[in-house]
Amino acid sequence: EAGVTQFPSHSVIEKGQTVTLRCDPISGHDNLYWYRRVMGKEIKFLLHFVKESKQDESGMPNNRFLAERTGGTYSTLKVQPAELEDSGVYFCASSQWQGAAYEQYFGPGTRLTVT
Amino acid sequence: AQSVAQPEDQVNVAEGNPLTVKCTYSVSGNPYLFWYVQYPNRGLQFLLKYITGDNLVKGSYGFEAEFNKSQTSFHLKKPSALVSDSALYFCAVRDRGGKLIFGQGTELSVKP
Repeated sequence: EAGVTQFPSHSVIEKGQTVTLRCDPISGHDNLYWYRRVMGKEIKFLLHFVKESKQDESGMPNNRFLAERTGGTYSTLKVQPAELEDSGVYFCASSQWQGAAYEQYFGPGTRLTVT
Repeated sequence: AQSVAQPEDQVNVAEGNPLTVKCTYSVSGNPYLFWYVQYPNRGLQFLLKYITGDNLVKGSYGFEAEFNKSQTSFHLKKPSALVSDSALYFCAVRDRGGKLIFGQGTELSVKP
């Protein structure tokens, strides 16, 4: 069974540019989460999809961030325009069930550097 | 609000010695607690979880964690550390909605 994959693994862009991150969850996992770790701090939740619907987007920092999951399969996270403080590692995770007892499986992350 | 604290940024251990990575939590209701590990240039890997039942939880790679309700702690332990255990360790609590709330991470360094 393939794990969660993320693309690209690393992205370097200039302030003001646009970047789109992609996440492919484990096949059959309806729940997809985005997290990010900024400046070596704790990993923080961004949002949660159940299939194609946004279940919880309370962690999205501002309207420069747009997440989509068309068709309930892969998801994209677009940052437009990027700011310096957006630099960090963006993780995607998926789980088959939503219940709190079920672990989430994480991808390798996308390291975003905004210069 | 739920939160997790990992009081040590770094833990240094000699190979073969026991290791402990500390985690305390603050939640309302019953906690669902997790440990994840991140090896260099890799994603987060699930190690173990506490949902209910035995306070001592066994996980992958010989790790275990002890749930202590009175001390609101969930420390990660291993009887004999390996150099290959060197990595970044994250403790997390999961809320009812499903999202994970992480601690800031602890860098474990095991020296030969």
